[in-house]
Amino acid sequence: GEDVEQSLFLSVREGDSSVINCTYTDSSSTYLYWYKQEPGAGLQLLTYIFSNMDMKQDQRLTVLLNKKDKHLSLRIADTQTGDSAIYFCAEGTGNNRKLIWGLGTSLAVNP
Amino acid sequence: EPEVTQTPSHQVTQMGQEVILRCVPISNHLYFYWYRQILGQKVEFLVSFYNNEISEKSEIFDDQFSVERPDGSNFTLKIRSTKLEDSAMYFCASITSGGIYEQYFGPGTRLTVT
Repeated sequence: GEDVEQSLFLSVREGDSSVINCTYTDSSSTYLYWYKQEPGAGLQLLTYIFSNMDMKQDQRLTVLLNKKDKHLSLRIADTQTGDSAIYFCAEGTGNNRKLIWGLGTSLAVNP
Repeated sequence: EPEVTQTPSHQVTQMGQEVILRCVPISNHLYFYWYRQILGQKVEFLVSFYNNEISEKSEIFDDQFSVERPDGSNFTLKIRSTKLEDSAMYFCASITSGGIYEQYFGPGTRLTVT
């Protein structure tokens, strides 16, 4: 069945780049997403990539997609303490565009 | 900037009671969703709703659950007889149309069943 896996924790120093990885199983996924959840807050859409793209850049965020390996990554350049949050990878699947989620990666940014 | 809103932010209820969680999607959006996140677990799809009917539901969404769009703005999730295992954060989401894939989420309602 459909499944999305992520590593649970990542710790980086302020100013470094963060790379959060995700693997998914559904080869028919149309879009792949990254959401951010800060403590006590909802799910904020960060960026997404269409499945026929390899890369998408949006300011400090770079998404890389390896469709052959079903591997997605999110790179955050110049990571700041305000980037500390849980980052969720999700795949959009089916005509109704339901999202299948990973467990989330908790990013800790140390000063 | 338009946003999805949800009320209440926290609901405490006793086992066996009915609860209604409310959502106001973004006004020109056409597809609506409910998801839930049990503490420590993945966000799970519950149901999608389009054109005033359920378009897809998960196996979690059994007869105890129902959704409704009673007017042009609200989208509700009803749990008829709550169980302890229904305790979770419930998120509402919406997208504008079939060609758009940006799914926007509300802040969530934390449901605690005692």
